[in-house]
Amino acid sequence: SQKIEQNSEALNIQEGKTATLTCNYTNYSPAYLQWYRQDPGRGPVFLLLIRENEKEKRKERLKVTFDTTLKQSLFHITASQPADSATYLCARATGNQFYFGTGTSLTVIP
Amino acid sequence: NAGVTQTPKFRVLKTGQSMTLLCAQDMNHEYMYWYRQDPGMGLRLIHYSVGEGTTAKGEVPDGYNVSRLKKQNFLLGLESAAPSQTSVYFCASSYLLGGQVYGYTFGSGTRLTVV
Repeated sequence: SQKIEQNSEALNIQEGKTATLTCNYTNYSPAYLQWYRQDPGRGPVFLLLIRENEKEKRKERLKVTFDTTLKQSLFHITASQPADSATYLCARATGNQFYFGTGTSLTVIP
Repeated sequence: NAGVTQTPKFRVLKTGQSMTLLCAQDMNHEYMYWYRQDPGMGLRLIHYSVGEGTTAKGEVPDGYNVSRLKKQNFLLGLESAAPSQTSVYFCASSYLLGGQVYGYTFGSGTRLTVV
């Protein structure tokens, strides 16, 4: 099956540090991946999209990388803040649909 | 802009009852989707639509039906609710950019409990 997996269910880091979240995929090569943020009781919010021919994408304090050799995408939040605490989801594209990982819950400790 | 609006926000159903969840978007998006989210399972695609009058099955379509009679609306129906359909349901919409479906805009969800 074409799986997408997020390695950690939960990640705690100290404020000001860089948070790194991992998304791995197996048995296929997605044309692109997306990352979302979800706060409790709310719908996911789109953050970034990265295509297979792009090694890196940045948006303010966010950075996403896409390594097709390792079949992995890394999501970084630099200078993390308590307001960054949320669940982060990665999603792979298959045709017109996206299939999501189960998410990583990030807690930034003041 | 309202974005994607889901109604109702909460609902409790008895086993065997039917209901319809409504999703409305005002962004003129072609693509619309219904997902369910369960603890430990993540978001799973139920049905989707690539345009008015079209629908297709996702990963977990059994027990659900959908209709897209108007471009801005996507309805999800449960004909005979079962406790296994207790979940949070999310609607999403999107569009093509550079030949690929761009990031989804999600609604705020419908929390459904079937007793």
